[in-house]
Amino acid sequence: NAGVMQNPRHLVRRRGQEARLRCSPMKGHSHVYWYRQLPEEGLKFMVYLQKENIIDESGMPKERFSAEFPKEGPSILRIQQVVRGDSAAYFCASSPGAGELFFGEGSRLTVL
Amino acid sequence: QQQVKQSPQSLIVQKGGIPIINCAYENTAFDYFPWYQQFPGKGPALLIAIRPDVSEKKEGRFTISFNKSAKQFSLHIMDSQPGDSATYFCAGDYSGGYQKVTFGTGTKLQVIP
Repeated sequence: NAGVMQNPRHLVRRRGQEARLRCSPMKGHSHVYWYRQLPEEGLKFMVYLQKENIIDESGMPKERFSAEFPKEGPSILRIQQVVRGDSAAYFCASSPGAGELFFGEGSRLTVL
Repeated sequence: QQQVKQSPQSLIVQKGGIPIINCAYENTAFDYFPWYQQFPGKGPALLIAIRPDVSEKKEGRFTISFNKSAKQFSLHIMDSQPGDSATYFCAGDYSGGYQKVTFGTGTKLQVIP
């Protein structure tokens, strides 16, 4: 059973470009979470999604950030018009419901 | 947002020592307290977890001590090894409703030979 798959693992963008990060949850998991981690800092909750629904996006900036988890395909975290402050590791986690979160290996975004 | 406060921020111990990482929470609705271990360049992985109806849980060399009245819990690593060097995150969670895990800020542990 493959784990949570995130791609790309590393992404470099110039200021003003768009970044798209993808997450395929573990098989059988319908709950997806996105967290952001700055260097030497903790995990900051961004958004929680179930298939086709955003359950909680209270941790996501109101502008430039969006997330989706379509009926088919991976969950996508989209950052428009990136700025240097968006440089971070973005982790996706999935779960079947309650209990353990299974994390991917992260996508590291660098904004030049 | 309800916080989980974690200390220390970093910790260096000799091999065989017993590092202790402490966490305190505010949200009394939390009923599940996991610890995650993260190695450099990797995602966090569940290490051990406890529910507030017990005061201690051991899994191998890892022990969680839980003090419900003080709203505090801690992780002890017995006979620590260089391979335990990682960042450790405590967290609070509640099983009622959706799962929004609140993480502590992390403790970077280094175990030197």
